[in-house]
Amino acid sequence: EPEVTQTPSHQVTQMGQEVILRCVPISNHLYFYWYRQILGQKVEFLVSFYNNEISEKSEIFDDQFSVERPDGSNFTLKIRSTKLEDSAMYFCASSTDRGYEELFFGEGSRLTVL
Amino acid sequence: AQSVTQLDSQVPVFEEAPVELRCNYSSSVSVYLFWYVQYPNQGLQLLLKYLSGSTLVKGINGFEAEFNKSQTSFHLRKPSVHISDTAEYFCAVRRYTARQLTFGSGTQLTVLP
Repeated sequence: EPEVTQTPSHQVTQMGQEVILRCVPISNHLYFYWYRQILGQKVEFLVSFYNNEISEKSEIFDDQFSVERPDGSNFTLKIRSTKLEDSAMYFCASSTDRGYEELFFGEGSRLTVL
Repeated sequence: AQSVTQLDSQVPVFEEAPVELRCNYSSSVSVYLFWYVQYPNQGLQLLLKYLSGSTLVKGINGFEAEFNKSQTSFHLRKPSVHISDTAEYFCAVRRYTARQLTFGSGTQLTVLP
């Protein structure tokens, strides 16, 4: 069964460092997403991406964040200068372009900012 | 804006007992409704979804949910749980015209032997 894969599974970084989280969405999907879950809190939407541009973003997704699809398979989330409060599990997801279809999630990348 | 409330943060239940996990939502527009499950150290997996039509939807692993528009609820049920159902369960909604999911805070289901 096709799946969304994410790397790394866990990353530890120092405050102020740049981090790139990588995702390989399901191959025939056209919408890509990042969500995050701070420990003990809700899963929160960050951004959706379609046709090589951001289609929706939340208030959390400020100038410190960026997304990119550098080639035909990868989808990345970059955090330019990490803060302590960026520590969270980051989930990548993908879906078809049919509005009723569900999102398929990866297993997540745990980011720890020290 | 939408919001989702999962009324129980933790639900312990004995094996083979029935369980109901409650979800209420608030939205000024029509929404799709979802239940996702997260097993330890894994990603979110879709259990079931309500798009339209019959208000009782069946999902994987013997789970079902009933959409109640008047009460704005979408409670998840299983008539007989197994140890392997121990996981965190998330209710989520999405507007017809948007892509982002709004999640509830999750319910940790623990099935006891």
